[in-house]
Amino acid sequence: AQKVTQAQTEISVVEKEDVTLDCVYETRDTTYYLFWYKQPPSGELVFLIRRNSFDEQNEISGRYSWNFQKSTSSFNFTITASQVVDSAVYFCALSEGSLIQGAQKLVFGQGTRLTINP
Amino acid sequence: KAGVTQTPRYLIKTRGQQVTLSCSPISGHRSVSWYQQTPGQGLQFLFEYFSETQRNKGNFPGRFSGRQFSNSRSEMNVSTLELGDSALYLCASSFHRTSGGTGELFFGEGSRLTVL
Repeated sequence: AQKVTQAQTEISVVEKEDVTLDCVYETRDTTYYLFWYKQPPSGELVFLIRRNSFDEQNEISGRYSWNFQKSTSSFNFTITASQVVDSAVYFCALSEGSLIQGAQKLVFGQGTRLTINP
Repeated sequence: KAGVTQTPRYLIKTRGQQVTLSCSPISGHRSVSWYQQTPGQGLQFLFEYFSETQRNKGNFPGRFSGRQFSNSRSEMNVSTLELGDSALYLCASSFHRTSGGTGELFFGEGSRLTVL
């Protein structure tokens, strides 16, 4: 069965510090997709990144970077030089490739509440 | 372009009642999925609709149902409400994909249901 684990329930850092959010996943599929979403206080989930299981290249987008390691089933997210506006709950999610073609379904981790203090 | 719109944003019901939540997807998006978010269980997939057909269903009792209309708008219904149904119900829409697995989902701000 598929499962996503975000062991860090809450993280609190001071502004400008770097912070890494951990994500470990379990799946029997060889084709799968990994995601990160951000949930600000308003409630909606905001898409950050999508990765397929065949693309292990790390990705950087501004202050955000993602490290995908199939060998350890991890897909970690790092925010460099954190800002107060980064405060939110962050979710890692998994979608298996064996779903009905085109089906949209995510299995989410429990989320990490990130607080950036000024 | 307008985002995903969910109505109502907040509602309070009592045990045994039923509730209907509505979701208008982003224009051009034909897939609509629903998620329940609670402090204890986190975010859990309810179901997904595409072209008025339920394509996938999560592990929820039959009291939870949904449908999609020809204009892609979707509703979900919960009958015989229980205290444990109190949650944030999130709707997401996505552009139709014929391959390549789950794509980017665009979420609404949710409907917060409180059952007393």
